[in-house]
Amino acid sequence: GAVVSQHPSRVICKSGTSVKIECRSLDFQATTMFWYRQFPKQSLMLMATSNEGSKATYEQGVEKDKFLINHASLTLSTLTVTSAHPEDSSFYICSAEDRPHEQYFGPGTRLTVT
Amino acid sequence: AQKITQTQPGMFVQEKEAVTLDCTYDTSDPSYGLFWYKQPSSGEMIFLIYQGSYDQQNATEGRYSLNFQKARKSANLVISASQLGDSAMYFCAMRPRGGAAGNKLTFGGGTRVLVKP
Repeated sequence: GAVVSQHPSRVICKSGTSVKIECRSLDFQATTMFWYRQFPKQSLMLMATSNEGSKATYEQGVEKDKFLINHASLTLSTLTVTSAHPEDSSFYICSAEDRPHEQYFGPGTRLTVT
Repeated sequence: AQKITQTQPGMFVQEKEAVTLDCTYDTSDPSYGLFWYKQPSSGEMIFLIYQGSYDQQNATEGRYSLNFQKARKSANLVISASQLGDSAMYFCAMRPRGGAAGNKLTFGGGTRVLVKP
């Protein structure tokens, strides 16, 4: 099946710094990737839709200047959390579509902001 | 707007028995897809099964089957012959096919399943 990777798997950063998370589709090309956020014991909430070669589409309530998304190629999307604060600590998961109804998820990145 | 409801926050099931996880949905889209994902403690989301709203037959994938009742707007997941490795969170999700919402998945709140030996 299609494989999506994320890097890093875990990251700890200090408040006020920025952190970049990479999402790669390893064996297929994905014109669209998605970024989700999951708080402990909660469901996944879509943050934004990342489109190759164009601006990301953010969900209501998600600050686009804080969560910068770049989809530079058909296999790579990045999420940068700028000026991170402790409340940004969460599990961030990306996904990419291989075929129209099969969305494959990365293993997730656990961000802790101290 | 779409909404997915999973009313069972947690369930215990005996090993080798079957378990049904409930999922109801609400949408105004005429065409949509329904998904089930498994999330073990490691956090990865594992795709289990898909059902299209116009599919004539209920989807099956190995030990997973989807009991799709369109009129009731329900898409329950049945796991047969439960195994210890089935212990995980299970999420029901929906996506419209086309339209302004594009390919966005909406997830339910999840059901935690614990398989007892």
